Amino acid sequence: QVQLVESGGGVVQPGRSLRLSCAVSGFTFTNYAMHWVRQAPGKGLEWVAVISYNGNNKYHADSVKGRFTISRDNSKNTLYLQMNSLRVEDTAVYYCGRDGSVGAADYYFDNWGQGTLVAVSS
Amino acid sequence: EIVLTQSPATLSLSPGERATLSCRASQSVRSYLTWYQQKPGQAPRLLIYDTSNRATGIPARFSGSGSGTDFTLTISSLEPEDFAVYYCQQRSDWPRITFGPGTKVDIK
Repeated sequence: QVQLVESGGGVVQPGRSLRLSCAVSGFTFTNYAMHWVRQAPGKGLEWVAVISYNGNNKYHADSVKGRFTISRDNSKNTLYLQMNSLRVEDTAVYYCGRDGSVGAADYYFDNWGQGTLVAVSS
Repeated sequence: EIVLTQSPATLSLSPGERATLSCRASQSVRSYLTWYQQKPGQAPRLLIYDTSNRATGIPARFSGSGSGTDFTLTISSLEPEDFAVYYCQQRSDWPRITFGPGTKVDIK
């Protein structure tokens, strides 16, 4: 069955960096765009970034643009989120999500990982 | 940015009752409206995409309707496992996709 497993979260000081990973299995990774979505404690959902199935196209939310970078390694069936210059307001559970359509991104999420918590605090 | 407003914020109902959740967009999102369910400590789960299409494995008691700026998620008869938070999301204005603030359905 489809599985997405995030890792790499933790406690980090403001201004530092962290890289999240999402290892997937149970489907053909190279067929799907992939996303990161985050959820601050007790708050709603916020889309963070998307990467096309082949890695050629990427978009990031304005709130993270220039600080976060989404990438993927199709040979390892793994999605990444490099987070630099972290801020207190980046504290959230970060979920990876599979796009709902095969091929081009359709910007909804049909499978989610369990999430990894990133806490930015001095 | 398209702003989604969900109402009510909290819906208190009993098992077996009908739940009607609303999502309103600040401008037309055509039919590109998605619904998710989230239970405490869990990831969201896709329920409905493109207004009215149930995702794989979603029971028929969940249905979606609407178009343009006004959308509704209906749960025809609440089961105990349906008490959760429900989020709507628009993908019309990609990549600037947005979520609503959520409606909590709790047990009366």
